[in-house]
Amino acid sequence: EAAVTQSPRNKVAVTGGKVTLSCNQTNNHNNMYWYRQDTGHGLRLIHYSYGAGSTEKGDIPDGYKASRPSQENFSLILELATPSQTSVYFCASGDEFYEQYFGPGTRLTVL
Amino acid sequence: GQQVQQSPASLVLQEGENAELQCNFSTSLNSMQWFYQRPGGSLVSLFYNPSGTKHSGRLTSTTVIKERRSSLHISSSQTTDSGTYLCALEPDNAGAKLTFGGGTRLTVRP
Repeated sequence: EAAVTQSPRNKVAVTGGKVTLSCNQTNNHNNMYWYRQDTGHGLRLIHYSYGAGSTEKGDIPDGYKASRPSQENFSLILELATPSQTSVYFCASGDEFYEQYFGPGTRLTVL
Repeated sequence: GQQVQQSPASLVLQEGENAELQCNFSTSLNSMQWFYQRPGGSLVSLFYNPSGTKHSGRLTSTTVIKERRSSLHISSSQTTDSGTYLCALEPDNAGAKLTFGGGTRLTVRP
């Protein structure tokens, strides 16, 4: 049974539109993370959270917001989507020893 | 400069051959993790190995902190091992954040 799930799995958005990517984990981990993966750049950290109500900026936070309303849920929000945000987005959760477990990914295309 | 460098960038094997994948890092670390990713797929954790040697089936991970390197050994490769292998480290004082290497793309031919 998948412990980190993401929705939607695929999304096509228009430039300037708002996009919300959702992540749910049943691992009861305190830490959650949002990454994007692009050819030539590898995996890069966008935002992360140490628990409900907390969000922290990662390495490439510009153009993204995050929300952690509960232990289980962590959302990534693109208020004004741009074509440069076309990518594959991965959510992950981590345990107290910092091992991370990844969701299946969301493929986002911004036209 | 890059904190985590993986080598080789790509590798082609015949089924049955062994492989040694390297991960070198330029910072002190709290932890090291190895992942496997199938094309178009998600990341599957292979090892959480902050130091020493760990085994899982045909896979062996060795992290030597003082030499700032970690390796992943695949013995008797199979076509199903094809994919990308990523190492990621949590730098010391980074607050539970991982920094990823660029990956090694492995192709195992029958």
